[in-house]
Amino acid sequence: GQNIDQPTEMTATEGAIVQINCTYQTSGFNGLFWYQQHAGEAPTFLSYNVLDGLEEKGRFSSFLSRSKGYSYLLLKELQMKDSASYLCAVKDSNYQLIWGAGTKLIIKP
Amino acid sequence: ETGVTQTPRHLVMGMTNKKSLKCEQHLGHNAMYWYKQSAKKPLELMFVYSLEERVENNSVPSRFSPECPNSSHLFLHLHTLQPEDSALYLCASSQEIGQGSTEAFFGQGTRLTVV
Repeated sequence: GQNIDQPTEMTATEGAIVQINCTYQTSGFNGLFWYQQHAGEAPTFLSYNVLDGLEEKGRFSSFLSRSKGYSYLLLKELQMKDSASYLCAVKDSNYQLIWGAGTKLIIKP
Repeated sequence: ETGVTQTPRHLVMGMTNKKSLKCEQHLGHNAMYWYKQSAKKPLELMFVYSLEERVENNSVPSRFSPECPNSSHLFLHLHTLQPEDSALYLCASSQEIGQGSTEAFFGQGTRLTVV
């Protein structure tokens, strides 16, 4: 079967750095997405990786290793507003998105 | 005006009621989706429409009935639901289905409670 694994919850301190990991086993691979979802709000797109390596976008970076079935989202200079759930999703061979259950990130002052 | 708008935001319904969820997208996208989001579970894809034709139905119970009258509007008709159907129902749209890099834009969801 297809599976996306990510930690259920993480806690970090304001101003610090946090890395949220995602591992996947899917039938085919057409890219990996990270979304941010604040409580009670819509998921919003953060990043897309289809080739191995690091994609940097401001305070957020996303890394992909296709051979390892592994990605991480790196958040730097954490702010209180970064408290949210972070969803990892992979597009399989049918271009269908397979979702992880999300990682709830708690930022403490 | 946000890109994808869902109404209502909250809905409480009895198991014998009939209600409908509405989604409207203002992005000119060709594909629309219904997802179910339950606490601590992955998003579950329910239905996919491309150019108003249903292309995916992931074994969803018949008490959920989608309707896509045009490429900007999507409905989810609900009848004789069960308490386990209580969840956040998210609508999303994307430019098209087949491309890998196409991201989905989500509405804020309808929080459904079945009593």
